[in-house]
Amino acid sequence: GAVVSQHPSRVICKSGTSVKIECRSLDFQATTMFWYRQFPKQSLMLMATSNEGSKATYEQGVEKDKFLINHASLTLSTLTVTSAHPEDSSFYICSARDGGTGINYGYTFGSGTRLTVV
Amino acid sequence: AQSVTQLDSHVSVSEGTPVLLRCNYSSSYSPSLFWYVQHPNKGLQLLLKYTSAATLVKGINGFEAEFKKSETSFHLTKPSAHMSDAAEYFCVVSVDTGGFKTIFGAGTRLFVKA
Repeated sequence: GAVVSQHPSRVICKSGTSVKIECRSLDFQATTMFWYRQFPKQSLMLMATSNEGSKATYEQGVEKDKFLINHASLTLSTLTVTSAHPEDSSFYICSARDGGTGINYGYTFGSGTRLTVV
Repeated sequence: AQSVTQLDSHVSVSEGTPVLLRCNYSSSYSPSLFWYVQHPNKGLQLLLKYTSAATLVKGINGFEAEFKKSETSFHLTKPSAHMSDAAEYFCVVSVDTGGFKTIFGAGTRLFVKA
């Protein structure tokens, strides 16, 4: 089945530094990628939607200059948390939609990245 | 280890009939349980969540789910399906084991026939 590889699974960084999270679709082309964040016991919050080759669409309240999303190819999307602060500590997860049409499409989730900013 | 199993990859119902989407979980810790819906080209939308309060959880759009610890189940139901309910549904488990972890079910595609 479809697999999305998300790295790193855990990262600890110092306040003020930047962190890049990668999501790769291993055996399919991800036409659309979704990025979420989640705090403990809270629901996932959609941060942005990115389509290959175009700019990401950010949800209201999400700073696009702080959370840089790049979807330069059909198999790779990255989320960069710039100038990270402790309040950015969270669980980040990506989800990819494959290129199927009609009813023949699917969504696959990465395994998530736990970011801790100290 | 934690796991989530959505027992049906596809469910087809007629409009106006009940919906049942099944989810079983395995967790050594007290889980938080969620159901999300995803329409084509849209992000996940939270339907409802269970976080150790009432075992019968009511969500949006007429959906509800019952947490049954003895059966390790969290099935999603709706009394009467609408055409607009046709989408992909995900059962999700989150646990805090000293490290927060979220596990997704494989998803259930709901088809609604007129």
